[in-house]
Amino acid sequence: GDSVTQMEGPVTLSEEAFLTINCTYTATGYPSLFWYVQYPGEGLQLLLKATKADDKGSNKGFEATYRKETTSFHLEKGSVQVSDSAVYFCALSDYRDDKIIFGKGTRLHILP
Amino acid sequence: ETGVTQTPRHLVMGMTNKKSLKCEQHLGHNAMYWYKQSAKKPLELMFVYNFKEQTENNSVPSRFSPECPNSSHLFLHLHTLQPEDSALYLCASSQELAGETQYFGPGTRLLVL
Repeated sequence: GDSVTQMEGPVTLSEEAFLTINCTYTATGYPSLFWYVQYPGEGLQLLLKATKADDKGSNKGFEATYRKETTSFHLEKGSVQVSDSAVYFCALSDYRDDKIIFGKGTRLHILP
Repeated sequence: ETGVTQTPRHLVMGMTNKKSLKCEQHLGHNAMYWYKQSAKKPLELMFVYNFKEQTENNSVPSRFSPECPNSSHLFLHLHTLQPEDSALYLCASSQELAGETQYFGPGTRLLVL
């Protein structure tokens, strides 16, 4: 079945550092890909999405490109802030299915 | 009020209690979901409703009983829970099923004593 694998956390960076959180997926069809973020004490929020190969999703300085050839959707940000500390979930959804498949989440700590 | 709301935000209950979690979405969506989020475990999908009809029950124990009276409201009735049921319960909604972005509520933090 479809699945999502993302890098284990926690990831600890200093403020203004470059961020990459790796995500790869397995799917038989052509899924939509998502990054969700969960801030402390809150539910998940959509951060960005991409619906087809080579699409780039972007929001709040974060970017991720749908790479069909490497089945990847890595999350990047050029300069992180303390306020980016949260748990980040990579996810996929196939139009043939009625659910989103989430990765296990990567906790990010940004130090001032 | 906008988005997806959940009440209560925090709940402590004994194993013999009966309680209900409530979720309401103000987005005009047709699909609603219950998830369980436990520490150090992946997000677990529990139930899916589409146009008030349950389309998925992910092998959830019968001590969890969902109810969807209309497309805007979703309940999770709890009875005779176990301590391992302590978790954050998240509600979400989407316009339709399949490939759609889901919008999450803030969750109910449940502690079973």
